[in-house]
Amino acid sequence: SFELTQPPSVSVSPGETASITCSGDKVGDKFVFWYQKKPGQSPVLVMYQDNKRPSRIPERFSGSNSGNTATLTISGTQAMDEADYYCQAWDSNTGVFGTGTKVTVL
Amino acid sequence: EVRLVESGGGLVKRGGSLRLSCEGFGFTFNDAWMSWVRQAPGKGLEWVGRIKSKADGETTDYAAPVKDRFIISRDDSKHTLYLQMNSLKSEDTAIYFCTTSDLWGPGTEVSVSS
Repeated sequence: SFELTQPPSVSVSPGETASITCSGDKVGDKFVFWYQKKPGQSPVLVMYQDNKRPSRIPERFSGSNSGNTATLTISGTQAMDEADYYCQAWDSNTGVFGTGTKVTVL
Repeated sequence: EVRLVESGGGLVKRGGSLRLSCEGFGFTFNDAWMSWVRQAPGKGLEWVGRIKSKADGETTDYAAPVKDRFIISRDDSKHTLYLQMNSLKSEDTAIYFCTTSDLWGPGTEVSVSS
């Protein structure tokens, strides 16, 4: 079955760039979505169709997807970006979430 | 205001049933493909299933762990999505969210006791 694998954690200093990878077999052939999840809150869509940013999401968030890896990049990371991030794709009408990455802003 | 609101969660015994509801406000519910996503305590997000719009056939798809136990339906006249959960297991304990992908409800908690 199709799986998406993410690093369990990423640490970044304020103002620096955080890159979160999402690996899966030929994931570049699919559209990838990214969600931000903070404790006690609902998930928030931060990227859709690989690299499209919802209007309410800051420009420091960007996305790419090619080959076997999709990437969410946070440039100029801020303390408010500390959260869990999940990639998601569709495989034969089945939704698949990545394993999740905890981003810590030190 | 554009929002989704889930209801119907609670404590249920293993093997029991529960029906969750999700009402949509402020958008064209009829056109939306709706999904259920859950998060078990201390775990990641897990896709549960999806229902397409009536115009797209109202077809449903399910994740393997819930297939044949859960049923997703919708009543567009009430702007409401449903999740009928049967033969519940302890591993179904989670917060259940309804979503259009870019819009999420606050979630409703389901606890299955053994």
